Amino acid sequence: AQRVTQPEKLLSVFKGAPVELKCNYSYSGSPELFWYVQYSRQRLQLLLRHISRESIKGFTADLNKGETSFHLKKPFAQEEDSAMYYCALSALNTDKLIFGTGTRLQVFP
Amino acid sequence: SAVISQKPSRDICQRGTSLTIQCQVDSQVTMMFWYRQQPGQSLTLIATANQGSEATYESGFVIDKFPISRPNLTFSTLTVSNMSPEDSSIYLCSVERDRNTAEAFFGQGTRLTVV
Repeated sequence: AQRVTQPEKLLSVFKGAPVELKCNYSYSGSPELFWYVQYSRQRLQLLLRHISRESIKGFTADLNKGETSFHLKKPFAQEEDSAMYYCALSALNTDKLIFGTGTRLQVFP
Repeated sequence: SAVISQKPSRDICQRGTSLTIQCQVDSQVTMMFWYRQQPGQSLTLIATANQGSEATYESGFVIDKFPISRPNLTFSTLTVSNMSPEDSSIYLCSVERDRNTAEAFFGQGTRLTVV
């Protein structure tokens, strides 16, 4: 079965601390993996995807097929990073997305 | 990118009634999607709506409960029928992903409370 698991509902850190939001997935083929973010009072938007292998707003995520993980990392958290983060997967060449339950990141000053 | 407008943004409804949520896109799209996000849960796909054909529902969702219309390439509606408190959720409209960036675009959501 296709599934995305985000084990942490809430992650609280102080500004400048490293951040890692965990994501594990279950999928029989080769999925596309994404991180979506929702800032307060804003709509859900794409943060990054594994295919592009880029850093967005200082965040990176590496797809580990052996561990079926796609953890989101940032070395130094900023207060403006506070938001809900959703890991999602999609089968190649489809537009349907399967989301995890989300992790709320709180960055304290 | 696609700009998606949903109406209403929120509503409080009596049980047993129905609510129709509208989704308007600023460009023509082939596929539109409706998601539900129950409190503390992930976004769950309800159905895929293609213009000119019946919507395709995911497991656990049926047309009688969530009828969908897709009259043209820029508009869709989702009706939540015979509502109960368990239908209290955020309902989100989305469109097919951008072919270059693979990004999916979402409406701002409709927060439904059934009392």
